[in-house]
Amino acid sequence: KNQVEQSPQSLIILEGKNCTLQCNYTVSPFSNLRWYKQDTGRGPVSLTIMTFSENTKSNGRYTATLDADTKQSSLHITASQLSDSASYICVVSGRTTDSWGKFQFGAGTQVVVTP
Amino acid sequence: GAGVSQSPRYKVAKRGQDVALRCDPISGHVSLFWYQQALGQGPEFLTYFQNEAQLDKSGLPSDRFFAERPEGSVSTLKIQRTQQEDSAVYLCASSQDRGGIPLSGNTIYFGEGSWLTVV
Repeated sequence: KNQVEQSPQSLIILEGKNCTLQCNYTVSPFSNLRWYKQDTGRGPVSLTIMTFSENTKSNGRYTATLDADTKQSSLHITASQLSDSASYICVVSGRTTDSWGKFQFGAGTQVVVTP
Repeated sequence: GAGVSQSPRYKVAKRGQDVALRCDPISGHVSLFWYQQALGQGPEFLTYFQNEAQLDKSGLPSDRFFAERPEGSVSTLKIQRTQQEDSAVYLCASSQDRGGIPLSGNTIYFGEGSWLTVV
């Protein structure tokens, strides 16, 4: 069973609108959670990184939140732009030597921004 | 270089052919990872190097897959006797973290991937 679940699987939003993507994980003990943006045909690009002691992290119009108690994270996109169309992937890292490198990836949320 | 470089970007192989995919990580990065990404899915872990040492290869799907990083910089992922199910994007990533408990949360940088199609 995947230890990182993302929702929704896909969404379509109008340019200029806001949206929120969800990530639930079961990885334990938890070390850090990352959000990546992956354009079609490209490698993932890091948006935010949060350790277990952080609740929120912003990167421009992207704001990530983390609740380590409920094992949930969200990525909020403000004032969406056409260039935001991409897959957004949640990546969770465990806090043991066995888990180093074995990042748990969600399947991603495919976001399409329309004019 | 400025980022993680992978080559070839695209490779079409006939079933049964051997392929080699190259990854040139960011200079000085200790950790290097290989992932396999099927269409519409998130990347799946294949193997992890710390310098030249392959510390984890538990994600390699079969003994047809082999990875090396002999001098602790460039890495090669080799797939022998390719099968159609090997068709995927192979992503390489690197980090300056030295492994162990990854509390620092340093950025993991990904390459653009090598798109392998086996026909």
